Amino acid sequence: GQQLNQSPQSMFIQEGEDVSMNCTSSSIFNTWLWYKQDPGEGPVLLIALYKAGELTSNGRLTAQFGITRKDSFLNISASIPSDVGIYFCAANFGNEKLTFGTGTRLTIIP
Amino acid sequence: DTAVSQTPKYLVTQMGNDKSIKCEQNLGHDTMYWYKQDSKKFLKIMFSYNNKELIINETVPNRFSPKSPDKAHLNLHINSLELGDSAVYFCASSQRHENEQFFGPGTRLTVL
Repeated sequence: GQQLNQSPQSMFIQEGEDVSMNCTSSSIFNTWLWYKQDPGEGPVLLIALYKAGELTSNGRLTAQFGITRKDSFLNISASIPSDVGIYFCAANFGNEKLTFGTGTRLTIIP
Repeated sequence: DTAVSQTPKYLVTQMGNDKSIKCEQNLGHDTMYWYKQDSKKFLKIMFSYNNKELIINETVPNRFSPKSPDKAHLNLHINSLELGDSAVYFCASSQRHENEQFFGPGTRLTVL
């Protein structure tokens, strides 16, 4: 089945640093989504992308829908302690079935 | 004013038991989902219902039976629980043909 390869698997950064993570697939998708999951909570939608090449920002977060429709990246600028968590990409090909990436665990070193 | 709610938050039970998890959404969405998140945090869809009709049914043992009494509720009943069923189960909802899904807080199921 379709799989989304997310990298890096984990990141250890200092507060104030910028973060970049990406998601790739061998299949084409129509929609890319980025979620964040805090411990003990459900994933929360951060950004949704609907067109190839689209670049969308949400505060300090910026995400892009790759031009080939097979990848997406998420950048976080000037990280703060509350950015800690697991970030998931998810993609969809025009039906209700979301395929999720393997997650990037972000840790901020004091 | 919780958007997607699940009960219980934690469920600890013995192998072989039958248990249910309930989900309700007040977003006015017409499509609801159940996902399973394993110990490695991998999220996989199990079922999806649209207006009480099953539209996605992944390869899930038939011990798992979703039930949707109305479009705001989707419950998950699990028969003859096994150790491998231990996981966090998430309910989600969306409007059909819109890709943005909103998740509940999860139910951590532990089978002993």
